Amino acid sequence: DTGVSQNPRHKITKRGQNVTFRCDPISEHNRLYWYRQTLGQGPEFLTYFQNEAQLEKSRLLSDRFSAERPKGSFSTLEIQRTEQGDSAMYLCASSLVQGGIGEQYFGPGTRLTVT
Amino acid sequence: QKEVEQNSGPLSVPEGAIASLNCTYSDRVSQSFFWYRQYSGKSPELIMSIYSNGDKEDGRFTAQLNKASQYVSLLIRDSQPSDSATYLCAVNERTGGSYIPTFGRGTSLIVHP
Repeated sequence: DTGVSQNPRHKITKRGQNVTFRCDPISEHNRLYWYRQTLGQGPEFLTYFQNEAQLEKSRLLSDRFSAERPKGSFSTLEIQRTEQGDSAMYLCASSLVQGGIGEQYFGPGTRLTVT
Repeated sequence: QKEVEQNSGPLSVPEGAIASLNCTYSDRVSQSFFWYRQYSGKSPELIMSIYSNGDKEDGRFTAQLNKASQYVSLLIRDSQPSDSATYLCAVNERTGGSYIPTFGRGTSLIVHP
C-alpha cells in the first residue's frame, strides 16, 4: 500500500498525559500537513512541512502541540498535557508540490479521546 | 478573516438526479481549489482539483470555477446512494508566506433510492 499511513488509529488517554502520533507520507511527496477535525467541521490546519522544514504553524495551535519531520520522511505530532478539548480526529496529508500546486492525499487519521 | 463557506445541508436528491454543491471563498488571490468526499468516520478522499476558470469534468463529476465571483461548485450527475457523504470544499489561501488549504464545513449529501 503506497498511501499515507497513520498510527495509532485510535488513542484514549487521560487528561494531563502526553500523546504522540505518527504519519508516514507517500514516499515521493515533499509536503506533509497535519490537521485536526471535530464533528461537523472541516479539517483545521495545524502545521506543514516542506521536506524536513516546518514552514507554517497555525496561530491557533497551542504551545502544547509540537511536530517534527526528521530527515523529511515520517512525521510525529505530540500533544503535551492533554485536555478534553483536544479530543478530535488528527489527520495527516501529503502532497507533491511543483510550481506551487499539489493535491493532498489524506491518511486514515488518528482518533484521540481524552477522558 | 479568510473563509470558505458551504451550506451544511443536508442536500437530499433522488437517485439518478444531479446534485449541485456550492462553495464560496474570500481570498481573491486563491489559485487552487479542491473537492473532497468524506464518509462518516473516514478521512477525506480527493475527488477533483481545479485551477482555471470554467468547467472540469471527470466521469460523473464536474467542477466549476468562477474566480471573479469567488465561487466553486461540484456537480454530480446520475447520483447514486453510494454518493451519500459529506463533500468538503478546500481553497489554497495565502497565510504568511505560504498557501495553506482552508476547508469549508462540508455539505452533507443524501441520495435516496
